[in-house]
Amino acid sequence: AQSVTQLGSHVSVSEGALVLLRCNYSSSVPPYLFWYVQYPNQGLQLLLKYTSAATLVKGINGFEAEFKKSETSFHLTKPSAHMSDAAEYFCAVRRGSGGYQKVTFGTGTKLQVIP
Amino acid sequence: GAVVSQHPSWVICKSGTSVKIECRSLDFQATTMFWYRQFPKQSLMLMATSNEGSKATYEQGVEKDKFLINHASLTLSTLTVTSAHPEDSSFYICSARVGTYEQFFGPGTRLTVL
Repeated sequence: AQSVTQLGSHVSVSEGALVLLRCNYSSSVPPYLFWYVQYPNQGLQLLLKYTSAATLVKGINGFEAEFKKSETSFHLTKPSAHMSDAAEYFCAVRRGSGGYQKVTFGTGTKLQVIP
Repeated sequence: GAVVSQHPSWVICKSGTSVKIECRSLDFQATTMFWYRQFPKQSLMLMATSNEGSKATYEQGVEKDKFLINHASLTLSTLTVTSAHPEDSSFYICSARVGTYEQFFGPGTRLTVL
């Protein structure tokens, strides 16, 4: 079964510092991977997605993620944290195909940005 | 981009009553919609997959008679929580799929059952 594991339920960084949120996947086939952001009491917004094209994926708000097959990882990074980046981030993997696709989410990582 | 709305954004009801939540794709047609629930400080758990014009497919452990899903059109899916109880209090989020993998999420509905 395809799943994702997010290491660290809480991450704190100083404003301007590097953001690194970790995600490892388990999949028997090339996966489709996603990162979503959720602000308090809101739905999810897609940050970026990997669909077996370029291994380095650039998303919105300056975020990017690199797909590393050898490490089964898809970590999310941003060179310089901004206060507005404080939110919860979810890594996700798509399971199935065609009309039976489902997205499975990791447990989430709450990012705190310290001024 | 594609916009998905949910109504209401929050609802408080008494135990034993039923609550209906609407999910609409505003500027696109979605053949498939998904319903998730999210408990405080937890991840999203898929409840069911809803295809327009057919019965919803429920995930294991989700009571289909308690969580009624209707996907009457390509832009509207509804989730009805029947005979709600306090343990049903949660954040319910819908999403609509476009193409082969893109899902767009609604803003969520906060349900509180007293």
